[in-house]
Amino acid sequence: GEDVEQSLFLSVREGDSSVINCTYTDSSSTYLYWYKQEPGAGLQLLTYIFSNMDMKQDQRLTVLLNKKDKHLSLRIADTQTGDSAIYFCAETLDSNYQLIWGAGTKLIIKP
Amino acid sequence: GAVVSQHPSRVICKSGTSVKIECRSLDFQATTMFWYRQFPKKSLMLMATSNEGSKATYEQGVEKDKFLINHASLTLSTLTVTSAHPEDSSFYICSASTGPNQPQHFGDGTRLSIL
Repeated sequence: GEDVEQSLFLSVREGDSSVINCTYTDSSSTYLYWYKQEPGAGLQLLTYIFSNMDMKQDQRLTVLLNKKDKHLSLRIADTQTGDSAIYFCAETLDSNYQLIWGAGTKLIIKP
Repeated sequence: GAVVSQHPSRVICKSGTSVKIECRSLDFQATTMFWYRQFPKKSLMLMATSNEGSKATYEQGVEKDKFLINHASLTLSTLTVTSAHPEDSSFYICSASTGPNQPQHFGDGTRLSIL
């Protein structure tokens, strides 16, 4: 079945770049998404990439997609304390538009 | 743009009470809305998908008589937890989309606590 995997934690120093990785199994994914969830809050759509793209950049965020390896990454440049959150990777498939979620990566910022 | 408002943000009530949660798309028309439940330190669990004007499609294991979903307009969907019990306590989040393969935009969630 479809599966999306992420590591559970990532710890980086303030000012460094954070790279959050995600792998997925289904090759028929159409869109891949990154959502951010701060403690006790809902989910905020950060960015998304269509499956025929390799890269998308939006200010401090860079998304890289390696379709051959089924690997998606989110790079946050100059990580700040306000970036502390859980980051969820998700995909939609050709067959429908339900989201398939990763378990989320908790980004911890060290001073 | 793409703002989804969910109300209330927090509910505390006694066992046996029915609770209604509203989800509104404020600046776009949502042909499809989704209701999720999130357990502590876990990812989201899709409960149901609703299209405007039709009955909701529930995921396996979700009791449709327990979780009533109404999507009466392109900007409003409601989830009613009927006769709520402590095991229904959770964080419920809605999302809205303009169509297939379009991003889902999420509300801020409702924390439901049943005493």
